[in-house]
Amino acid sequence: QKEVEQNSGPLSVPEGAIASLNCTYSDRGSQSFFWYRQYSGKSPELIMFIYSNGDKEDGRFTAQLNKASQYVSLLIRDSQPSDSATYLCAVKRAGGFKTIFGAGTRLFVKA
Amino acid sequence: ETGVTQTPRHLVMGMTNKKSLKCEQHLGHNAMYWYKQSAKKPLELMFVYNFKEQTENNSVPSRFSPECPNSSHLFLHLHTLQPEDSALYLCASSQDSRAGMGGDEQFFGPGTRLTVL
Repeated sequence: QKEVEQNSGPLSVPEGAIASLNCTYSDRGSQSFFWYRQYSGKSPELIMFIYSNGDKEDGRFTAQLNKASQYVSLLIRDSQPSDSATYLCAVKRAGGFKTIFGAGTRLFVKA
Repeated sequence: ETGVTQTPRHLVMGMTNKKSLKCEQHLGHNAMYWYKQSAKKPLELMFVYNFKEQTENNSVPSRFSPECPNSSHLFLHLHTLQPEDSALYLCASSQDSRAGMGGDEQFFGPGTRLTVL
């Protein structure tokens, strides 16, 4: 079992729709959860971080965390073609130095 | 720009060469990281430094040698690399690598695209 699992995609959504990206993790001691966006040929860019169960909203982005189910998701509302990228989920144990990244989900937003 | 710079942006080297990658962060962070990103593979953590002390070495071959002279600068010295070492090498920094309630989100530099011939 991979430590952080993501569907590789591609996930294709029409412009204006909600894109839902999912991530599961295996370490129950994980405490910090991150979503990064990576455009082709570029480095990862932090979008959201979440530490507590529930939802966290920032503009068009909502991160959802369910520690009991070991599940974290990212919702992108009103998806735009510029949102087309690979989205990386990352997980870290509190007090640890090591961040584990998933392989990423490719999102394609059709104009 | 994230406040993390990396040089060079592109590097081509032979298997017998010695080269160094440089990373500098202007964010006042205390932790710095080296990652390797190969095609079709997840980001692989290589090294972590917290307040200049190495806290993680993720079983990286000795042909990769990190150096962290202060909290703002990080180097990766390369020697006798193999073609399979060709990848994007990313540097990142965070306020603190251990905080579980904030401050441990990482900011990445643009990366160095390394090709080993």
